Amino acid sequence: GENVEQHPSTLSVQEGDSAVIKCTYSDSASNYFPWYKQELGKRPQLIIDIRSNVGEKKDQRIAVTLNKTAKHFSLHITETQPEDSAVYFCAAPVARQFYFGTGTSLTVIP
Amino acid sequence: DGGITQSPKYLFRKEGQNVTLSCEQNLNHDAMYWYRQDPGQGLRLIYYSQIVNDFQKGDIAEGYSVSREKKESFPLTVTSAQKNPTAFYLCACRLGGELFFGEGSRLTVL
Repeated sequence: GENVEQHPSTLSVQEGDSAVIKCTYSDSASNYFPWYKQELGKRPQLIIDIRSNVGEKKDQRIAVTLNKTAKHFSLHITETQPEDSAVYFCAAPVARQFYFGTGTSLTVIP
Repeated sequence: DGGITQSPKYLFRKEGQNVTLSCEQNLNHDAMYWYRQDPGQGLRLIYYSQIVNDFQKGDIAEGYSVSREKKESFPLTVTSAQKNPTAFYLCACRLGGELFFGEGSRLTVL
């Protein structure tokens, strides 16, 4: 099945700085790459996604970039705020299965 | 109000006992998933179902069983054969590319 690797596992940034989380995947059949955010004690929720026919997608302070050739995609958060503190998961669904990365715990220091 | 509901939220079990976690959705989604979440290990797929009366094993199905007798229900049984059952369990349903998660069930084996 798909192998999704996510780095780093923990990340601390000062408020206002940028944060970048990277994922690699193994199955070239993957063509959809979502990112989920899980706040402490809550359920994961989709925050942004990208399909393989585009290289970048932005939504206010968050963006996702995709390099299909290298099989990696990244989440970029600019002007970080304390409410961005959470665990972020990347995913690379293949066929009917839905594989997640191991998660990145982001802490934004006020 | 549409959504996906898991119960119970917290559950304690003695070793050697089976326990069943409930997952109900009224979103009319065909696909449903069960994940296990442990610290530092992301979301690992236990079972998934694409349609009533059909389900497939995920990466860590050993010691678990499921049924899908109705579209809206996908219960997970944690059997006594599961060696390390203490974990946070998340159920999800899928529409297109997006997963919608329940609030989770935290199982503790005493």
